[in-house]
Amino acid sequence: GAVVSQHPSWVICKSGTSVKIECRSLDFQATTMFWYRQFPKQSLMLMATSNEGSKATYEQGVEKDKFLINHASLTLSTLTVTSAHPEDSSFYICSAREPGRGLNTEAFFGQGTRLTVV
Amino acid sequence: GESVGLHLPTLSVQEGDNSIINCAYSNSASDYFIWYKQESGKGPQFIIDIRSNMDKRQGQRVTVLLNKTVKHLSLQIAATQPGDSAVYFCAERAASGGYNKLIFGAGTRLAVHP
Repeated sequence: GAVVSQHPSWVICKSGTSVKIECRSLDFQATTMFWYRQFPKQSLMLMATSNEGSKATYEQGVEKDKFLINHASLTLSTLTVTSAHPEDSSFYICSAREPGRGLNTEAFFGQGTRLTVV
Repeated sequence: GESVGLHLPTLSVQEGDNSIINCAYSNSASDYFIWYKQESGKGPQFIIDIRSNMDKRQGQRVTVLLNKTVKHLSLQIAATQPGDSAVYFCAERAASGGYNKLIFGAGTRLAVHP
């Protein structure tokens, strides 16, 4: 299957700073990528849909000014957690779907990024 | 709102036994379902999928059953192995805004004992 890579795998930052997480599709071009958040022992919750060349679509309750998404190219989407606070500590996961394979295809997930805000 | 849920949060099985993980969904318009496996500290890994025009699909050691009448999905794992220990999520495709996002269920932890 297609490969999606996230960087970094884990990051610790101080409260009030910003952190950028990268999501790359390594062997295919993804016009659409998805960002999820997962708290311990909970399910994945979709935060936003990242669209190459246009604004991201955020889910209800997700602050767009807090979680900045930039889909700069067909292989890269970034999520920036601005002015991070301890409650932003979570596991962030991205996914991408291979275009041209139809809508009913699996999305490929990155390995996730563990963010800890101290 | 629409949601996907699971009946059993934790399932313990003996190595070699068959496992059945269940999932209920509420959106009757969902037309595509996926089962994912997630190991600790990793992203979800695709296991098997099924379209709504099917009621059964088989893979290697796994079978997914779909009952649209009662909006129920199940994942059967044959001859469960220790390496199958993980959290399993069902997900449904919900067309929204043209982006066809996935909605995940709560997850079931599968613990395989030797």
